[in-house]
This record gives sequence, structure tokens and C-alpha cells, in this order.
Amino acid sequence: EVQLVGSGGGLVQPGRSLRLSCATSGFTFDNYGMHWVRQAPGKGLEWVAGITWNSGIIDYADSVKGRFTTSRDNAKNSLYLQMNSLRAEDTAFYYCARAREMYRDAFDIWGQGTMVTVSS
Amino acid sequence: EIVLTQSPGTLSLSPGERATLSCRASQSVSSSYIAWYQQKPGQPPRLLIYAASRRATGIPDRFSGSGSGTDFTLTISRLEPEDFAVYYCQQCGSSPLTFGGGTKVEIK
Repeated sequence: EVQLVGSGGGLVQPGRSLRLSCATSGFTFDNYGMHWVRQAPGKGLEWVAGITWNSGIIDYADSVKGRFTTSRDNAKNSLYLQMNSLRAEDTAFYYCARAREMYRDAFDIWGQGTMVTVSS
Repeated sequence: EIVLTQSPGTLSLSPGERATLSCRASQSVSSSYIAWYQQKPGQPPRLLIYAASRRATGIPDRFSGSGSGTDFTLTISRLEPEDFAVYYCQQCGSSPLTFGGGTKVEIK
């Protein structure tokens, strides 16, 4: 079964850091581009970052550029999101998602999401 | 940045009725890069349509997508009880990737 399992969320103070992980199974991880999408409570979807299969291309939303870093470890079938200088507006569910065939493609598999709350 | 505007914000319909959801892009998007998702409360989004008109694996044929250029449509031919949810369009062709604001399909 193809699975993405996110972890690492929690309550953090403004200005602090958090690292999210996305463990994958059931498919050949290093064949796929991966992305992060977030959703503030009661709000819509916002793309956060994406990374190609070999980390050759990494993109970020303007809202997180310079503060967030995504990376992957193909040997561990895992995706990561390092979030620094967190702000209240970063409070959201964070989903990892697989790009269907190409990096710039629809997201066909989603993790269950991990909640990040930024508050003092 | 390509802005996607979805309309209407809320669609109130009865089971068995037809639903037509619109997604308008601020600039032309290749149909290869338009997707539609369904999201129910407490769940991650589920891919319904990719490349504007291709159904994802396991998606019933009552869901169909169409459109080109700046105007795209998701149609649900006959609403089933499980179809009442929020629907998002997405463009995945240029960075930043963007989503529309969503259309909520609710039971009338």
C-alpha cells in the first residue's frame, strides 16, 4: 500500500524552529517529485514547497522563502521540511504529497497531515 | 503568480442533481497542468482530475473535467451523498503552484 506518514508537528513559540518529516512506503520514492502543502484551520490549501526526485530543483512559496527548507533522503524514503523563524501565520496542517508522474504534476498521494501551532 | 478564482463559493444542491464548478485562471494555463481535488472534513485532499479532464485512479465517471486557456470546469453529473465536500482546483505548471479558494458543495 502506498503511504505517506507525516510527523513532527506540535506547539512552538514564535521565532522558534520545527522539523517535519514525511515517511513514505509502497512505492519507489526516488522516482517521484514531492511537495508540501499547508492548510490553516478552516481555510483553503496553500502550496509551500516542492523538490524533484534528485533535489535538483527546489521551489518555495514566497511566504516561506528564506525561512523554510525542504530536503529528502532517498535512502530513507523520507521527505523533510525544516521550518525556522516560525510565525503565527504558519499555524496550519502540513501535508506532504507525491507528484503523480513529473515534478510539475497533480498530487496523487497525500499524507494525513501534521498540525503545527505557532503561539506563545 | 497565477491566481485561480473558483465560483461559486458555495453550491447548495440535492442528491441526484448536477453540479458545475468553475475555476478561472488569471493567465492562460496549459490544460496539462490543471487538477481538481475533493476534500472532506478531517481528511487530506483526494485527487479527482488531472490534466484538466483525466480521471484519477478509482474516481467514478460521474466526475468529469473540461476547459482550456483560463476557464476550467468540474462537473458532477449526479450528486451522490458522499460527494458533498469542498473542491479545489490547482495549477501545477508554474511556480509558485497555486490552488483556488475552493467551492463547497452542500446539501440543499
